[in-house]
Amino acid sequence: SQQGEEDPQALSIQEGENATMNCSYKTSINNLQWYRQNSGRGLVHLILIRSNEREKHSGRLRVTLDTSKKSSSLLITASRAADTASYFCATGPDTGRRALTFGSGTRLQVQP
Amino acid sequence: EPEVTQTPSHQVTQMGQEVILRCVPISNHLYFYWYRQILGQKVEFLVSFYNNEISEKSEIFDDQFSVERPDGSNFTLKIRSTKLEDSAMYFCASSDRTSMPSGNTIYFGEGSWLTVV
Repeated sequence: SQQGEEDPQALSIQEGENATMNCSYKTSINNLQWYRQNSGRGLVHLILIRSNEREKHSGRLRVTLDTSKKSSSLLITASRAADTASYFCATGPDTGRRALTFGSGTRLQVQP
Repeated sequence: EPEVTQTPSHQVTQMGQEVILRCVPISNHLYFYWYRQILGQKVEFLVSFYNNEISEKSEIFDDQFSVERPDGSNFTLKIRSTKLEDSAMYFCASSDRTSMPSGNTIYFGEGSWLTVV
């Protein structure tokens, strides 16, 4: 698989449920960022987790990072219909470069 | 909250024509980027720009592409002779300079849809 692959590709849940999206990557990273994209719109930054961090919280979002497994997860608790969007992970390399490598994204549908 | 703004939001152009996409990064940011997203595909890095020069570029960013910071606020992407396969959403982004070695948040604009016909 390529750098920054999300799984599942699509997820449909009911409002109020939790949504968990996973991201795997292959190379060493210095940070991992999660973004949200509504259909045809821009990328909204959600959260950044650094390679020396294991977990971060922001509101209803919880992100974990396991560098030994080269994986991250994004948990959205108590989901709302407005959370319907595509969610992407993007990795920042540890080479001093700044270019992010994006995954294919998870399309989340929250049913009201 | 400060944001990256892009113009135009949508442009249709004839194959072979030149296109300039414009961006106003967040005002105190020092790193600027262009990414693109072909419909249904991943977001791909094109180029990063710092201190008035290109700092990184991808294989996609060939001689048909150029970037410029013509003044203190704008950052442009020029495609010299557009091809059908250049049709995509082009995102401008910016980030602050940080002393932290572990990267910093990159903020994206709403994108410019380019359709080449």
